[in-house]
Amino acid sequence: DTGVSQDPRHKITKRGQNVTFRCDPISEHNRLYWYRQTLGQGPEFLTYFQNEAQLEKSRLLSDRFSAERPKGSFSTLEIQRTEQGDSAMYLCASSLFAQETQYFGPGTRLLVL
Amino acid sequence: RKEVEQDPGPFNVPEGATVAFNCTYSNSASQSFFWYRQDCRKEPKLLMSVYSSGNEDGRFTAQLNRASQYISLLIRDSKLSDSATYLCVVRDLQGGKLIFGQGTELSVKP
Repeated sequence: DTGVSQDPRHKITKRGQNVTFRCDPISEHNRLYWYRQTLGQGPEFLTYFQNEAQLEKSRLLSDRFSAERPKGSFSTLEIQRTEQGDSAMYLCASSLFAQETQYFGPGTRLLVL
Repeated sequence: RKEVEQDPGPFNVPEGATVAFNCTYSNSASQSFFWYRQDCRKEPKLLMSVYSSGNEDGRFTAQLNRASQYISLLIRDSKLSDSATYLCVVRDLQGGKLIFGQGTELSVKP
């Protein structure tokens, strides 16, 4: 499968715990984006990378959130001290360049109890 | 005001019906527009780009009105398999991030 992959697909955690999600983009895609989607809403932008450089972060990305793309390939999104409001689907997308089509992964569904 | 606004629906239509979705966007400088389709509990997938002159892909027609900052999607002869949420999307000028509307839910019934 050469599409965008995300791991895990589902995560249930207790409030206050830390969680980390991984995204593997399509090979050779320079751009990698993270979005969050809550029930009944469209996805909302969180952050994006051009290769290993994190170029933009949304105001939605509080200081409890951190994202990395250390070698310009896969990316991780960590949420520290999770809150119930963090429950959502976290989507990763990649594209070859900024103005090219973004392809989405299957998402990681997070439930914070 | 949200950057991209859509009527959330749901739209419940019989098979074979024609259905139209509308969307407005707030940034008049926006250049790139799309419709994505999202099935229940799945990721969004690109349905079609929207061009200034309007474009068609089979039963689907997309239109853009820059003066009114309005985008539309028309589905003709709707099928059961068209049931999904349709997301109106504008691409940010600088970073390329996608700005999504709330989505419009479509349910096509036999």
